[in-house]
Amino acid sequence: GEDVEQSLFLSVREGDSSVINCTYTDSSSTYLYWYKQEPGAGLQLLTYIFSNMDMKQDQRLTVLLNKKDKHLSLRIADTQTGDSAIYFCAESIDNNDMRFGAGTRLTVKP
Amino acid sequence: DTAVSQTPKYLVTQMGNDKSIKCEQNLGHDTMYWYKQDSKKFLKIMFSYNNKELIINETVPNRFSPKSPDKAHLNLHINSLELGDSAVYFCASKQGYEQFFGPGTRLTVL
Repeated sequence: GEDVEQSLFLSVREGDSSVINCTYTDSSSTYLYWYKQEPGAGLQLLTYIFSNMDMKQDQRLTVLLNKKDKHLSLRIADTQTGDSAIYFCAESIDNNDMRFGAGTRLTVKP
Repeated sequence: DTAVSQTPKYLVTQMGNDKSIKCEQNLGHDTMYWYKQDSKKFLKIMFSYNNKELIINETVPNRFSPKSPDKAHLNLHINSLELGDSAVYFCASKQGYEQFFGPGTRLTVL
């Protein structure tokens, strides 16, 4: 397909791990990204992974990339209420353009 | 210091009016973008400028006209506003692999 796809909603309990999944479209994408959008705010880059990597860890965040299946995931360990937001997966296209998924709304319950 | 700033933050106007949204970045980046985020949070690229030159122009009505007076500014002018133009408009700038987003302008057309 031509869309970057993500599930729209995820609900977890505080302290649990969250896993947000994404499938992207372009096997030649150089970089894949995760952005976070809090209510009423712009998009904030959380992390990114270069296409020749299969895993990247940054504190509570772990990104896994399966290039064969064009699947990207973001794991947030010890999820906190402050992690509640919309998370966007994005792929780079032609080094200028980016294609975004529809966003996954993460709700963290106390 | 705000890296990417947009004005105004909120814009409420009547159908048929002409309005502008301004964007400025102080990062020294060469590439700037305009994105539209609709009520379902879908984020779509509208335009991309590199060094004041248009490089991406997605299927956007010609009522939308971007203007880049210099590398640090990319303004968006919209003629004859329609109800369907109501959305949040994000400006972004990019150098290398990372895009930095502005806080967004919420446009409401009545």
